[in-house]
This record gives sequence, structure tokens and C-alpha cells, in this order.
Amino acid sequence: DAGVTQSPTHLIKTRGQHVTLRCSPISGHKSVSWYQQVLGQGPQFIFQYYEKEERGRGNFPDRFSARQFPNYSSELNVNALLLGDSALYLCASSLGGGDEQFFGPGTRLTVL
Amino acid sequence: AQKVTQAQTEISVVEKEDVTLDCVYETRDTTYYLFWYKQPPSGELVFLIRRNSFDEQNEISGRYSWNFQKSTSSFNFTITASQVVDSAVYFCAHSNYQLIWGAGTKLIIKP
Repeated sequence: DAGVTQSPTHLIKTRGQHVTLRCSPISGHKSVSWYQQVLGQGPQFIFQYYEKEERGRGNFPDRFSARQFPNYSSELNVNALLLGDSALYLCASSLGGGDEQFFGPGTRLTVL
Repeated sequence: AQKVTQAQTEISVVEKEDVTLDCVYETRDTTYYLFWYKQPPSGELVFLIRRNSFDEQNEISGRYSWNFQKSTSSFNFTITASQVVDSAVYFCAHSNYQLIWGAGTKLIIKP
């Protein structure tokens, strides 16, 4: 069975640009969460979606937005990119909101 | 607010030694989950274990064991007879619906 997939794997953008990251959950999983991991730190929670509804939001500015589609895949959008947005963006899927989360390989975003 | 502390930034041991990774959490929730994840150099987070707050039984899985003590708000992880392949960053996390992560402990196993 396929695990969580994310695209693209790497991305280079310049300040002020916009980026869209994509995530496909494990088949049967209805919850998707997004995390930002800066080098040398633990992941920071950005969003969680369950059954296409936003269930939680971390302490990130409004430049960050996300949505979940009817097939449970998800997109994370970041507007007006800043240098500090450079990080590994991780997507995780789970059966429900409190269940163990399984992570994709991440998207490495570099903002120049 | 929830908080997870992994006081050991880096641990280095020689292969076959036992090693314990500490995790202390703070929470006001009565129902919650605790997790351990492994992040090898490839970067992908690998799920190791989930415990709920009502189950304080210790768990053993092969060379891995976990000690959950609610009285001290700790959820420690022990690797017995460590191997080079265990080298990774290990994260402890707390959740009621979103995961709150510790800063991680980098484990280096020398041959």
C-alpha cells in the first residue's frame, strides 16, 4: 500500500512569491496535518484537517492557508514568502484526528 | 499549554550499549496521547509508538521499550543493545488532537 506522498520534493522560490505544496494521504485516512520543520528543531504544527474541515491551526500567520479535497488530499499554500519560511514541510495522515500520524517524506522549501 | 521537553540534545554511545532517551511533558488535559518518532538522516519521520494517558503499562517491542510514568509526567524510551542503524533524531510528542513536539534528541551509535 502506498504511504503518504508529497509533491514536490524540493522547491526554490524567491521572497514575495507564492507556493503550493501537495499531499496525498494513505488510503482510508481522513485526516491530514501539516507541519513545518526548521533545521535542528522539532516539527511545528500548522494545520489539521478532518473530513475536509479545519480542525486545528497552529501559531502561523494568515499567509499560510490550507484545504482538504473530497478525496482527502490536501494543499498547503504560503503567500508572500519570507526567508524564514525556508524549512521542511511535512504532511501526515491519520484515520482520525487523535490517531497515530504517518508522515510523508516532506517538501524541502528554500526561499532566496 | 502543552509542552514537551527532551533535555538531551545529543547522546553518543558505542554499539551494543543500552541508551535511554528522556521525555517530560506538561499538560492540563486529562485525556491525551504520547508518541515517539524516529527521524533518520533521510528526513522521513517514522512512527514508533503511541500511548494513551490511561495506559501506564510499560511496553517492549524487540530492542525498544517505553516507560510511561504519569506521576512524573515522563515517557522515556530505551534502546537495548544499540546498533549503528539506530542512529537518528528521536522525537517525543504529546497530542489531544494536534501533535506538540519536543526538540528531539540526536542519537549517535558508534561502531
